[in-house]
Amino acid sequence: QVHLVESGGGVVQPGRSLRLSCEASGFTFSRYAMDWVRQAPGKGLEWVAMIYYDGSNKYHAESVKGRFTVSRDNSQNTLFLQMNSLRAEDTAVYYCVRDSGGSNSPKFDYWGQGALVTVSP
Amino acid sequence: EIVLTQSPATLSLSPGERATLSCRASQSVSYSLAWYQQRPGQAPRLLIYDASDRATGIPARFRGSGSGTDFTLTISSLESEDFAVYYCQQRTDWPRVSFGGGTKVEIK
Repeated sequence: QVHLVESGGGVVQPGRSLRLSCEASGFTFSRYAMDWVRQAPGKGLEWVAMIYYDGSNKYHAESVKGRFTVSRDNSQNTLFLQMNSLRAEDTAVYYCVRDSGGSNSPKFDYWGQGALVTVSP
Repeated sequence: EIVLTQSPATLSLSPGERATLSCRASQSVSYSLAWYQQRPGQAPRLLIYDASDRATGIPARFRGSGSGTDFTLTISSLESEDFAVYYCQQRTDWPRVSFGGGTKVEIK
């Protein structure tokens, strides 16, 4: 059974940093691309970042480019999101997502329970 | 950038009724469209991918259709657990994806 468990969320001041982790189990982690998707309180879904199965390529949304970095450790079945220079508008629940889609095929088939990040003075 | 517009924003229906949700893309996305369900306090769940393929474990009452710019998610007979928010998603600018604003299906 596929499980994705995020950790590392919390309250942080603007301008500070936070690192989210996502521990994966129940599937061969190293065979799948992984994404981060966030959801601000009461709002819709926003894609944040994606990393290839082997970590060779990484992509970030324009809203976080230069501040957030996605990475992974396949030996530990863990996905990371390093968030620097945090802003109030980064306040959201961050979901770790397994990406089973190919090019031109969105298919986020498993989601974690989410980690709440609150950026506040 | 392709924009997905979902309508209506809110759909008020009774259990047993049919729900028809729309997702319109600002330009063609071919069949590159997925649907997700999000119940209150829960993570989204994949329902449909490639416009019409049901994900593993999704009941047959959920049906996706459409191509190009116009897509529909139909729930043939609403059950209590179907009252939730539904999002469409496209990926034509690999690997970036975008989501529609959502449709809330509420109990009338």
